Amino acid sequence: DIQMTQSPSSLSASVGDRVTITCRASQGISNYLAWYQQKPGRVPKLLIYAASTLQSGVPSRFSGSGSGTDFTLTITSLQPEDVATYYCQKYNSAPLTFGGGTKVEIK
Amino acid sequence: QVQLQESGPGLVKPSQTLSLICTISGGSISSADYYWNWVRQPAGKGLEWIGRIYSSGTTNYNPSLKSRVTISVDSSKNQLSLMLTSVTAADTAVYFCARSPSIAIRQAFDNWGQGALVTVSS
Repeated sequence: DIQMTQSPSSLSASVGDRVTITCRASQGISNYLAWYQQKPGRVPKLLIYAASTLQSGVPSRFSGSGSGTDFTLTITSLQPEDVATYYCQKYNSAPLTFGGGTKVEIK
Repeated sequence: QVQLQESGPGLVKPSQTLSLICTISGGSISSADYYWNWVRQPAGKGLEWIGRIYSSGTTNYNPSLKSRVTISVDSSKNQLSLMLTSVTAADTAVYFCARSPSIAIRQAFDNWGQGALVTVSS
């Protein structure tokens, strides 16, 4: 099975900073990659699918890129409401594996 | 607006079977446009995909749970169900149902239930 590895596992950044989270697949998955945001005590929310397509209603400061095995989620200007754990997920085929998560905090 | 709502016992004894229902409102579970998934999350930990079912009845399961999991649909009640047998404390988690479009490139989980906490304890 394909494994999904996220880095870093946590980060602390200042409001307005550019934040980048990476996700690596152990085998190529084309662009069948999604990113989710989960705020504390809340349900996961889809941010990006197909590696770079922004889900409707998601702020444009979020963007995704990558294909094959290496992917990134970028927040261009970190806001206080972006404090959350972010997960990548591959969905090219079952099992639909999630990455371990990246916890984003405000410095 | 389609809504998903999980329900079921919050406490299950070790070795018994965990059973949860996800009721879909505002849309049909029989639609060919979607897969229906179960995902779980132990407290303070990450997300684990359990499995999914399509309108045709086709299922896919996480290999780590496959021997203990059954996902099914009751179209007459518009409900998705999860059964997990022989549970242990390691199965204690919040269980989510989630929808994903059937178009391959869009099969991310775009709609989630609120989650149901299930604790395995005697």
